[in-house]
Amino acid sequence: GQNIDQPTEMTATEGAIVQINCTYQTSGFNGLFWYQQHAGEAPTFLSYNVLDGLEEKGRFSSFLSRSKGYSYLLLKELQMKDSASYLCAVSDSNYQLIWGAGTKLIIKP
Amino acid sequence: IAGITQAPTSQILAAGRRMTLRCTQDMRHNAMYWYRQDLGLGLRLIHYSNTAGTTGKGEVPDGYSVSRANTDDFPLTLASAVPSQTSVYFCASSDRGTSGYNEQFFGPGTRLTVL
Repeated sequence: GQNIDQPTEMTATEGAIVQINCTYQTSGFNGLFWYQQHAGEAPTFLSYNVLDGLEEKGRFSSFLSRSKGYSYLLLKELQMKDSASYLCAVSDSNYQLIWGAGTKLIIKP
Repeated sequence: IAGITQAPTSQILAAGRRMTLRCTQDMRHNAMYWYRQDLGLGLRLIHYSNTAGTTGKGEVPDGYSVSRANTDDFPLTLASAVPSQTSVYFCASSDRGTSGYNEQFFGPGTRLTVL
């Protein structure tokens, strides 16, 4: 079967760094997406990795290891507005996105 | 219209009633999707359409039907609503070209309660 695992909830302090992990087992791999979803809103695109390594975009970075079936999203200089759920999704052999349940990130002052 | 819209924003529905959720996009994306999102379960694909005139079943299609008469519209119909269909429904679209890159853009969602 296909499976995406990520922690249910994480807590971090404003100004700190947090790493949200995602492991996956899917039928085929055509890239991994990270989305951000604020409470009561739609998911919005954050990053995409298809090759191994780190992709940096401002305060957010995303890492991929295809051999390990592993990715992480790194958020630096946390701000209160970063409080949201972060969704990991893998594009499978049919180019459909398989979604994790999401990680709720709570930022404390 | 800019992007992808859904209607209604929210709805309370009696069990057994028929309901159609509307979704329209103006980005000329070829692919469209319907998801439901329930607490602790993440996004689950109900139906999808890779191009106008074609549709396919996702992970949880039972009790739902879709049509794709044109590029822009992708309505989702609940023929006879049941309480287990209480959820938040998101419509999404993507421009699936030959590269296979499949970034999906989401509508604002419809919150449906079936009593």
